Amino acid sequence: DAGVIQSPRHEVTEMGQEVTLRCKPISGHNSLFWYRQTMMRGLELLIYFNNNVPIDDSGMPEDRFSAKMPNASFSTLKIQPSEPRDSAVYFCASRMSGAAQPQHFGDGTRLSIL
Amino acid sequence: AQSVTQLDSQVPVFEEAPVELRCNYSSSVSVYLFWYVQYPNQGLQLLLKYLSGSTLVKGINGFEAEFNKSQTSFHLRKPSVHISDTAEYFCAVMPDNYGQNFVFGPGTRLSVLP
Repeated sequence: DAGVIQSPRHEVTEMGQEVTLRCKPISGHNSLFWYRQTMMRGLELLIYFNNNVPIDDSGMPEDRFSAKMPNASFSTLKIQPSEPRDSAVYFCASRMSGAAQPQHFGDGTRLSIL
Repeated sequence: AQSVTQLDSQVPVFEEAPVELRCNYSSSVSVYLFWYVQYPNQGLQLLLKYLSGSTLVKGINGFEAEFNKSQTSFHLRKPSVHISDTAEYFCAVMPDNYGQNFVFGPGTRLSVLP
């Protein structure tokens, strides 16, 4: 079975550019999560969706970050304009509804902003 | 609200030695408990989970964890580690009331030395 698919795996871009990260959740999963991982701050939840609706975006750092989920099989996380402090590994995870269902993670996008 | 503490940020251990990675949590409601492993340049993978029943849970790769309700702990153990177990390990809790999120601990880096 295909897991959570993220693209690109690596992204290097210059400060000020727009960055779009993509995620395809596991089919049948109805919750999707975006995380950011850095050495300094560890794993941080940015936003999560239930049935394509954003439920909690309190972890989104600032207005430069936005996330969308236009349908059950696709989500994007966009940073505009990007800054060097946005450099991190960004993970997408999905899970089925129901008690105690685990989250399943993609392999992440390693983002470097120069 | 829930919180997860992993007291040891780094644990070095020699190959074939036993290891215990500690996890404590706080919560005002019942929780489900999880351990995830993250190998270099990969996403988090589920090792094991505790939902109910027997307090000793067995997972993949020879790991097991024991739930202790009175001590609010969920420590991870392996009787004999391999070099390939070198990774970051995350404890996580999920409240048993529907709609709530996972809360991840800060992680413990296990280094298995030859």
